[in-house]
Amino acid sequence: NAGVTQTPKFQVLKTGQSMTLQCAQDMNHEYMSWYRQDPGMGLRLIHYSVGAGITDQGEVPNGYNVSRSTTEDFPLRLLSAAPSQTSVYFCASKPDGSNSPLHFGNGTRLTVT
Amino acid sequence: AQSVTQPDIHITVSEGASLELRCNYSYGATPYLFWYVQSPGQGLQLLLKYFSGDTLVQGIKGFEAEFKRSQSSFNLRKPSVHWSDAAEYFCAVGPVTGGGNKLTFGTGTQLKVEL
Repeated sequence: NAGVTQTPKFQVLKTGQSMTLQCAQDMNHEYMSWYRQDPGMGLRLIHYSVGAGITDQGEVPNGYNVSRSTTEDFPLRLLSAAPSQTSVYFCASKPDGSNSPLHFGNGTRLTVT
Repeated sequence: AQSVTQPDIHITVSEGASLELRCNYSYGATPYLFWYVQSPGQGLQLLLKYFSGDTLVQGIKGFEAEFKRSQSSFNLRKPSVHWSDAAEYFCAVGPVTGGGNKLTFGTGTQLKVEL
């Protein structure tokens, strides 16, 4: 099983550039989410989705867009990258809206210069 | 608002020694509590979880945690640490149901194991 797959693993952007972080899961999970991890701040929820066509904001949504056109994919878009978005980004999924444990991808390390 | 405090940023233990990582939470209802472990360059892996029943829960890799409602704590323990346990550990709290399924994570405790 591939589980949760994130691409790319590393990315360097210049301020103002846009990009999409990809996340795909092959477990038929309804719930998917994006977190960012920063030193001393733990993981903070950016956006989440409880099913195809449904998305909602988390704790730190500004500067990020998401969409959920299929159950498998949940891309995260940075419209105009800023140095404050330098972080490690994790995608996570779980079977449904109940509080079953999250399954995490291996992360994307993003640097914005 | 829910919150999680992990008071120890770094902990160093000798291999074979016992380990206790502290976690205190703030939550207005019955919490759902988790411990995750993150090895370098990896995502988070679930160690154990609790939301009801026996307050001492067993997890993978020989870890256990005890829920103490009166102290709002969910400390992680291991009787004898192995060098491979060196990693970062995260405590998290969320609602049992509803609440947008929003897990709140602590800031993590980095564990170093001395041989």
